[in-house]
Amino acid sequence: KAGVTQTPRYLIKTRGQQVTLSCSPISGHRSVSWYQQTPGQGLQFLFEYFSETQRNKGNFPGRFSGRQFSNSRSEMNVSTLELGDSALYLCASSLGQGFTEAFFGQGTRLTVV
Amino acid sequence: GENVEQHPSTLSVQEGDSAVIKCTYSDSASNYFPWYKQELGKRPQLIIDIRSNVGEKKDQRIAVTLNKTAKHFSLHITETQPEDSAVYFCAASKWNGGSQGNLIFGKGTKLSVKP
Repeated sequence: KAGVTQTPRYLIKTRGQQVTLSCSPISGHRSVSWYQQTPGQGLQFLFEYFSETQRNKGNFPGRFSGRQFSNSRSEMNVSTLELGDSALYLCASSLGQGFTEAFFGQGTRLTVV
Repeated sequence: GENVEQHPSTLSVQEGDSAVIKCTYSDSASNYFPWYKQELGKRPQLIIDIRSNVGEKKDQRIAVTLNKTAKHFSLHITETQPEDSAVYFCAASKWNGGSQGNLIFGKGTKLSVKP
């Protein structure tokens, strides 16, 4: 069974640009969450999608957005990139039914220069 | 919103000793408390979790305890081994019927086990 797949693995972007990251959950998982990981702030929750609907949103500016497709794949977009957006972006998927384990992808390392 | 504090930020133990990592949470409605292990350059992986209706859970050398009144939970690793060296994250979440909810993480504890 394939795990959570994130693409691309690495990205280098310039300040002011926008970027789109992709997450393919484990087959059958309907819930996808996104997290930003930095050395200083640790793992911070961005947003969560379940059945194409955003269920929860963390405390990030509106430049961070996401969506989920009918096949449960999810994308997150960051517009007007800032140097501080450099981070490892992780997505996690779960069945979404009751208390189930969240499985993380390998992450996308975004560097903003 | 929920806030999770984790201590210590670094922990060094000798192989065979026990390690304890403590977390406190602020939202009394949180009902799910997982612990993740992240080795260098790898993804976080769930090692144990506990729900709010349980006070303690054990899985071989790993145990988690939860005190709902005090709003704190702890990870206990016994007979530590060098391969236990990693960063450990606690998290808290409010899980409802049809959604994963959101995991609010502590800042992490870097555990080093010296042979």
